[in-house]
Amino acid sequence: EDKVVQSPLSLVVHEGDTVTLNCSYEVTNFRSLLWYKQEKKAPTFLFMLTSSGIEKKSGRLSSILDKKELFSILNITATQTGDSAVYLCAVINGDNYGQNFVFGPGTRLSVLP
Amino acid sequence: EAQVTQNPRYLITVTGKKLTVTCSQNMNHEYMSWYRQDPGLGLRQIYYSMNVEVTDKGDVPEGYKVSRKEKRNFPLILESPSPNQTSLYFCASSLWERHVSTDTQYFGPGTRLTVL
Repeated sequence: EDKVVQSPLSLVVHEGDTVTLNCSYEVTNFRSLLWYKQEKKAPTFLFMLTSSGIEKKSGRLSSILDKKELFSILNITATQTGDSAVYLCAVINGDNYGQNFVFGPGTRLSVLP
Repeated sequence: EAQVTQNPRYLITVTGKKLTVTCSQNMNHEYMSWYRQDPGLGLRQIYYSMNVEVTDKGDVPEGYKVSRKEKRNFPLILESPSPNQTSLYFCASSLWERHVSTDTQYFGPGTRLTVL
């Protein structure tokens, strides 16, 4: 069965801390891995990773994929209270004729002032 | 403005009463999808569609139907809702180029459904 696992499930830090969120996956036909941020509404897209070892960066957020070990990490440096959210990892799984999205349970990050 | 709309946003209904949740996107996206989100389980894909008249099951299709008669619309149908379908539902869409669902998947605002 295809699955995506995230850890930790919940994390509380103080402003200024650096956090690393983990995502591992087991799917039959991996295409891409995506990270989303979900506050009290719909998820918003952060990154899409397709190739191993290539870091993607956006401000204080960065992410990298390891296709050999089947995992990805999302780093947030100098955290701010506005980073508080659930971070979702998803994998696109399938072939040219059908692709589905498999989501992990999410990591709930709370950043305290 | 590029967006995915869902209606209704909130719905309380009773067991067995057929309902439809509509989803519409204005971005000419080929790929559309329905998810349900439950505490501790994350987002689970119900059905997806790669283009008009092309639909396929996701991870949790039981109890749901979909149709894709037009590119912009992808309604979710619950023929006989049950309490275990109480959940938060999201519709999403993205481009589908060269057999790949490309990066940004745009999500609708969500529909909170309660089945009594």
